[in-house]
Amino acid sequence: DVKVTQSSRYLVKRTGEKVFLECVQDMDHENMFWYRQDPGLGLRLIYFSYDVKMKEKGDIPEGYSVSREKKERFSLILESASTNQTSMYLCASSPPDQPQHFGDGTRLSIL
Amino acid sequence: QQQVKQSPQSLIVQKGGISIINCAYENTAFDYFPWYQQFPGKGPALLIAIRPDVSEKKEGRFTISFNKSAKQFSLHIMDSQPGDSATYFCAASYSGSRLTFGEGTQLTVNP
Repeated sequence: DVKVTQSSRYLVKRTGEKVFLECVQDMDHENMFWYRQDPGLGLRLIYFSYDVKMKEKGDIPEGYSVSREKKERFSLILESASTNQTSMYLCASSPPDQPQHFGDGTRLSIL
Repeated sequence: QQQVKQSPQSLIVQKGGISIINCAYENTAFDYFPWYQQFPGKGPALLIAIRPDVSEKKEGRFTISFNKSAKQFSLHIMDSQPGDSATYFCAASYSGSRLTFGEGTQLTVNP
């Protein structure tokens, strides 16, 4: 079974902090994705990566950056956290042209 | 701009009834239409998917109906069970590109 592991289930940070969300997949997938999930808005794509050291902006990249130094790990970075970034963050991975497998999410609260 | 519209936002069905969730899309280049199921505290998981060369796909109690001319597709859950209570997301993509998700439907099946 594919396993996508997000480092924290719950995280509380303060406004202005630099926040790192980590995601690791164990199936050697090329593609990795970061989404945020908000009620009534569905899943919105923040960034994705098709290969190591490659990244592409999604629909809502403002205020976020990503890092993919190794194939199995994809990090989401909030450079200076703000309250409107309080959300559920979901990581996913997939082989090319195959369904995405999701982690169980990190619920992030920015105070 | 939201390219996949999903309705209803919430749905309550009695055990044994039929649950129907609808999605409409704008981009005629979309060629892959998956449905994801998400239980509380878990990430979304692929439930069933269809490509536009067929009008219907059935897997057990779950059926996707696809209307290419109307740019609509729907999920039907026959003989709905309390264990089907979850949030359902439709999505669309083209040529293996990133997925665009609908807003989600929270389904409750009463015993």
